[in-house]
This record gives sequence, C-alpha cells and structure tokens, in this order.
Amino acid sequence: DIQMTQSPSSLSASVGDRVTITCQASHDVSKYVNWYQQKPGRAPKLLIYDASNLGPGVPSRFSGSRSGTDFSLTISSLQPEDTATYYCQQYDDLPLTFGGGTKLQIK
Amino acid sequence: EVELLESGGGLVQPGGSLRLSCAASGFTFDNYAMSWVRQAPGKGLEWVSSISGSGGSFFYGDSMRGRSTISRDNSKNILYLDMKSLRADDTALYYCAKVSVAAYNGYFDFWGQGTLVTVSS
Repeated sequence: DIQMTQSPSSLSASVGDRVTITCQASHDVSKYVNWYQQKPGRAPKLLIYDASNLGPGVPSRFSGSRSGTDFSLTISSLQPEDTATYYCQQYDDLPLTFGGGTKLQIK
Repeated sequence: EVELLESGGGLVQPGGSLRLSCAASGFTFDNYAMSWVRQAPGKGLEWVSSISGSGGSFFYGDSMRGRSTISRDNSKNILYLDMKSLRADDTALYYCAKVSVAAYNGYFDFWGQGTLVTVSS
C-alpha cells in the first residue's frame, strides 16, 4: 500500500499568515494527489486535484505543488474560515489512501 | 446541482449486517464511478470501496474486503454498500462520494453528508 505521510498533524497560525502543509508519498504516485478540506461537523470538500489544480469554487489563496513524491498545500493568506482539517489523498494505485490529516487552527 | 443523500445507518450488534444507500441527483449517474469513504469518530478518512460507472468493476479496501459488497442501480441513481459481520471498529460515519471519472482513478469531487453506523451490543 502507498503510505501518505502528512505533516504537521496540527498547526496554529494567525490571520494573514502563509501556511504550508506537506504530504510525502511512500512510492511514486506521479501527479495523482488530491487535497480536501473538512470543517468541523461537515463533509470533506475538494480543494486541489492532480497536485496543483484548483477545485471548482476554491479561493485562489489555496495552491498545490509537487516535487517528486513530496506534495504541498499552501494557503497564501490565512483567513478565519480556513479553520479545518486538511487531508491529502493518492489515487495512483489501489488501495486509495489518505494522509493522517492536519488540523489547522487560527491563533 | 449535485446532491448525494446517504441513508441506512444505525445501531447494529456485533456480527450483524446493514445496507447503506446513497441517492444521487444532479448529474448523469452512470457516467461516473462512486465510492464509499468512512471516518471513525475523531479519526481520519479511510477509503472503503469504489464501483465504476457501469457497475462492472469494483474495488475494496483492506478493512472491509470480504465483508462488504458495493453495487449500484443506474436506473434508480442509487449506490449501495452491503456490510456483514460488522465489528466495533466498523463504527464510523460513512460518506458516499462521486468520482470525477467513470473508473475508480479520479478525485472525489462531491460528497454526501454521511450516515452513521454504530456497532455495539
């Protein structure tokens, strides 16, 4: 199975900060990594697909990038509504696997 | 507007069975694969199963392989997950998710609100 190692597991930052969450795949997954945002008590929502493509309706302060088997989700200017848990997920191979999640809180 | 509405969750005893359903609307159902993803209380996301748009191909994660069956009725736009031999560690919120393509290998572009399965005596 492909392991997706996500870090940090939790993060606290201030409004306006630039925040980066990373995910490392245990094997080559090409560009096939997606990022989801899950707010408390809500279903996950697609943020980024195929490493760097913005999902529909997602604000442009969110971006994704890839370097080999390392993937990053960046929020350029943190907003209060970005409080959530973020998950990466690979679909290069079965079983589909998620990272452990990063809980992002606003200071 | 895409809508996914799960149902069928509830309290079941260990060893019991349950059928989850997901009613879909707002898109051409048989053009897209569908999946089940679960989330245990306070835990992360875990992929359970996926089925192709035609229903001819299906795939399972390790946790429920051999104890679950995914199926779909494309005439009614409904996705199912039949679960048996349920254990306490199957307790979770089960989400139905639409896949971006007809096969399993896409992203989950829409999610339902989930149906809660509790396995307890």
